[in-house]
Amino acid sequence: DVKVTQSSRYLVKRTGEKVFLECVQDMDHENMFWYRQDPGLGLRLIYFSYDVKMKEKGDIPEGYSVSREKKERFSLILESASTNQTSMYLCASSPTDRGTEAFFGQGTRLTVV
Amino acid sequence: AQSVTQLDSHVSVSEGTPVLLRCNYSSSYSPSLFWYVQHPNKGLQLLLKYTSAATLVKGINGFEAEFKKSETSFHLTKPSAHMSDAAEYFCVVSGLSGNTPLVFGKGTRLSVIA
Repeated sequence: DVKVTQSSRYLVKRTGEKVFLECVQDMDHENMFWYRQDPGLGLRLIYFSYDVKMKEKGDIPEGYSVSREKKERFSLILESASTNQTSMYLCASSPTDRGTEAFFGQGTRLTVV
Repeated sequence: AQSVTQLDSHVSVSEGTPVLLRCNYSSSYSPSLFWYVQHPNKGLQLLLKYTSAATLVKGINGFEAEFKKSETSFHLTKPSAHMSDAAEYFCVVSGLSGNTPLVFGKGTRLSVIA
């Protein structure tokens, strides 16, 4: 079974802190994604990566950065956390074959106070 | 550009009655389409997918969906709802290539009443 593991299920951080969300996949997938999920807005893409050290902005990249130093790991970084970044964050991975589904982690519920 | 519209943000059914969750897509190419389910405080799980083979696709837990190109629709159905079906459902369309992200609808919350 494909496994996508997010390092934390719940996080509480203070405004202005630098926050790291980690994601690891074990299926040698080329693509990895970070989404944020908010009620009524569905999933919105923050960043994605189709190869090591490669990254592409998604729909809402402002206030976020990412790092992919190894194929299996994709980190989301909140440079200076703000209360409007309180959300559920979902990591996913997929192979490059077109039409293949993405596999999701359990999510990290981040609260910024 | 590709997009997905889920026509209902919330659907409520009685246990044992049919479920219909509606999805329309827009794509400039022949798409792959997916339905995912998310139970409370869980990640997303694939229910089923369409990839240009049979237009009627069967998924897990008795769900199925029919691809209708003429109507640009991919509605999700189930003959008889179960309490455990209560969840959020997302209709998703593939990207242009294998290196582009999936595009998600805003989701439909399904409530099942006993």
